[in-house]
Amino acid sequence: QSALTQPPSASGSPGQSVTMSCTGTSSDVGGYNSVSWYQQHPGKAPKLMIYEVSKRPSGVPDRFSGSKSDNTASLTVSGLQAEDEADYYCSSYAGSNNLVFGGGTKLTVL
Amino acid sequence: QVQLQQSGPGLVKPSQTLSLTCVISGDSVSSAAWNWIRQSPSRGLEWLGRTYYRSKWYNDYAVSVKSRITINPDTSKNQFSLQLNSVTPEDTAVYYCARGWLGAGFNYWGQGTLVTVSS
Repeated sequence: QSALTQPPSASGSPGQSVTMSCTGTSSDVGGYNSVSWYQQHPGKAPKLMIYEVSKRPSGVPDRFSGSKSDNTASLTVSGLQAEDEADYYCSSYAGSNNLVFGGGTKLTVL
Repeated sequence: QVQLQQSGPGLVKPSQTLSLTCVISGDSVSSAAWNWIRQSPSRGLEWLGRTYYRSKWYNDYAVSVKSRITINPDTSKNQFSLQLNSVTPEDTAVYYCARGWLGAGFNYWGQGTLVTVSS
C-alpha cells in the first residue's frame, strides 16, 4: 500500500482539462513544498513533469500545472492531447531523508 | 545531455545478492544525488536509497531495505551501484537509477532493469 493516495483513474476528452489529486499527511505533502509529479508511458521510465509543487522542468508543456492545499497536491493537465494518456505518479519528501510515492492514476484521453 | 545506462542480471536466486550498475554520461557522480528506485505491481514505485558527495560521500536508505542495501559510487568509472542482499520473490521489480534530490524530483532516469527473484 502506497504512502500517498491517488485515485486509480481519471479521464477527459481532447481539449478538456483534468485534475488528479495526491493525498498525504502533514508529515509529507502538508509538511514540505517538495511534491513532484511523474508521467509514465507503458514500458518506459517515469518522466518528471512537476517538481517543488508547481515548477516545470525545461521542456514540459505549460499545459501541465501543479498546486497544493494542506495535505493534498494536485496536477492539472489543460488542453488534453492524445499523448497525455499515461500513468501519473506523485511523490513527496517525508522527512528524515525519506521519499514516498503515490499509487498512480491512469489518465485516459477519451 | 545526461544519460544513465543500467546493467546487471535479470534473474537472481532467493537468498542471493541483487547487483546493478548505473553508468553516468554527461554529468559527474560527484556532482548530484544518485538514486535507486524500484517498481512492482504489488509495491508500486519505491525509493530505495541514494548516494551523494558533499565534501565526503553520504548514503541514505529507505527503512524498508536499510538492513540489506548498499549503494556505492565509483568515481573512476563515473558510475554507481546497487547491492541488495538476501533477496526474496518480493524483491522482484523493475529497478531504475535516477538523478535528483529528494525534494526536487528525479529529472534523469535509467532505462530500467527487470529483476526477477526465482530459483
